[in-house]
Amino acid sequence: AQKVTQAQTEISVVEKEDVTLDCVYETRDTTYYLFWYKQPPSGELVFLIRRNSFDEQNEISGRYSWNFQKSTSSFNFTITASQVVDSAVYFCALSERGSQGNLIFGKGTKLSVKP
Amino acid sequence: NAGVTQTPKFQVLKTGQSMTLQCAQDMNHNSMYWYRQDPGMGLRLIYYSASEGTTDKGEVPNGYNVSRLNKREFSLRLESAAPSQTSVYFCASSRQGTPTGELFFGEGSRLTVL
Repeated sequence: AQKVTQAQTEISVVEKEDVTLDCVYETRDTTYYLFWYKQPPSGELVFLIRRNSFDEQNEISGRYSWNFQKSTSSFNFTITASQVVDSAVYFCALSERGSQGNLIFGKGTKLSVKP
Repeated sequence: NAGVTQTPKFQVLKTGQSMTLQCAQDMNHNSMYWYRQDPGMGLRLIYYSASEGTTDKGEVPNGYNVSRLNKREFSLRLESAAPSQTSVYFCASSRQGTPTGELFFGEGSRLTVL
């Protein structure tokens, strides 16, 4: 069965600190995709990144970076030099090949960045 | 840049009442989805439509019906609302079915059933 676990329910940091959001997934499929979404206080969900199971290269986009490790079934998200605007709920999600839309979401991690 | 538009944004219903949540996308996407978001539960898929003319059940379909009216529109109907259906509902679309395409979400519809 597929499952996504975000063990950190809430994290609070002070601006400019680095913070890592953990995501552990379970799947029996060898082809799958992992996602991160951001949900700011306004409520909409914003797509951040998609990785497929064959691409374990880490990715960096500005202050954001993602560490995908198949050996530990983890897809962690790091924000460097956090800012108040990073305050949001972050969701990790998993989709298996052929799932046609059944994106399995973790329960989310609420990040609060204080000035 | 409308993207995915949901209406209404807020609704209060009494138990047993019916209502329809409307969703429209202007990105010419093939696939559309309805999710619900409950505190501490993340998002759960209710129904999806991989392409015009098809609909399939997701993880939590009980108590809901859907209609893919055309390529642009995908509605979610509650025939007899129950307090357990109090939630925030999100419509989403993608260029092609996941997993290859990311989902674009609407702003959400907050439904309260008394």
